Amino acid sequence: QKEVEQDPGPLSVPEGAIVSLNCTYSNSAFQYFMWYRQYSRKGPELLMYTYSSGNKEDGRFTAQVDKSSKYISLFIRDSQPSDSATYLCAMSFSGGYNKLIFGAGTRLAVHP
Amino acid sequence: DVKVTQSSRYLVKRTGEKVFLECVQDMDHENMFWYRQDPGLGLRLIYFSYDVKMKEKGDIPEGYSVSREKKERFSLILESASTNQTSMYLCASRGGGSSYEQYFGPGTRLTVT
Repeated sequence: QKEVEQDPGPLSVPEGAIVSLNCTYSNSAFQYFMWYRQYSRKGPELLMYTYSSGNKEDGRFTAQVDKSSKYISLFIRDSQPSDSATYLCAMSFSGGYNKLIFGAGTRLAVHP
Repeated sequence: DVKVTQSSRYLVKRTGEKVFLECVQDMDHENMFWYRQDPGLGLRLIYFSYDVKMKEKGDIPEGYSVSREKKERFSLILESASTNQTSMYLCASRGGGSSYEQYFGPGTRLTVT
């Protein structure tokens, strides 16, 4: 069983939809949770970063962590065609700065 | 802006060849990483380096070696390329301290025939 599971998609939604992207994990020691966005033919870039449980909002993006269920989510409101990309979750334990564990990524397509 | 550059975007090599992938970062970061990215498997860490001449194995180091002679440059070496090393290779860097953020290069798509 992988430490981090992520549905690879693809997920196709109309412009303006609310998108929910999710990851589950097995290691209860994970404390730091990240979402990276990767456009086609580019490297991943950090989108959101949260510590422990709770929500964090940044514009149209909300990251949510539920440590009791070992489940993290990224919500995108009012999705735009420019949001079309692969979204990778990543996580690590306290002090594990050089040991990120990545999910496989979910490919999202937002069509006009 | 942090910039991480990789020497090639696409590379085609033959089985048994020695392959060098080069990565350069311009932000004076202490830490540098090599990952490979495969469909359904995500990013898997091959090696990382936390200082010049210092390296640590990641999750899948077999068949690879690395070199870091200067702070800004981190090289991945495939000693004898094999077809199962066909993949996208991503380099990343991270500053010191308690930040988890890694900055990635654009990737090198390597095909071994």
